Amino acid sequence: DTEVTQTPKHLVMGMTNKKSLKCEQHMGHRAMYWYKQKAKKPPELMFVYSYEKLSINESVPSRFSPECPNSSLLNLHLHALQPEDSALYLCASSQVADTQYFGPGTRLTVL
Amino acid sequence: QQPVQSPQAVILREGEDAVINCSSSKALYSVHWYRQKHGEAPVFLMILLKGGEQKGHEKISASFNEKKQQSSLYLTASQLSYSGTYFCGTAERIGKLTFGTGTRLTIIP
Repeated sequence: DTEVTQTPKHLVMGMTNKKSLKCEQHMGHRAMYWYKQKAKKPPELMFVYSYEKLSINESVPSRFSPECPNSSLLNLHLHALQPEDSALYLCASSQVADTQYFGPGTRLTVL
Repeated sequence: QQPVQSPQAVILREGEDAVINCSSSKALYSVHWYRQKHGEAPVFLMILLKGGEQKGHEKISASFNEKKQQSSLYLTASQLSYSGTYFCGTAERIGKLTFGTGTRLTIIP
């Protein structure tokens, strides 16, 4: 089973709202990732967690806050977002240094 | 810096072959290839590791020239299901993938 699940599928939020995106995998992978993808552009890496510790932060603004409660779960907490943050947010997981498997994504719209 | 892919877009008839190229300016640990259909998540196709190890699936092959930091994806006897945008993902270090500019492939009957 190579399934990564993400919820919600769609999210609309105002600039003053606080919301969270959730990602889950049950493949025993020890690395999890957040990517941001704008229309017709490649995915851009945001954060990497390895063995539940944040190992890479690609200079992402502090209005995005990742959290890895355990090896199967990854959250992305959102607050005070801007309209330009509207995008598809993809979660991925892998064994460390191996193939990354992507979830279906959350399409975020910031009004 | 983002890897550059060529061509940007290509249209093929079913059964024709295609080659997609990916070029990086940095020394690479590995190259990953993904296909993404509109509105869907990227799907893994193949990984090529420094040192020549190669993994993949389906009727798709790839090469990795470590000296030139270039990779090519070969699609033979293309099928309608091959349509989508192909991305290479290059890794200078473990866990950090940088995706290329993308190649949009359209297969027509």
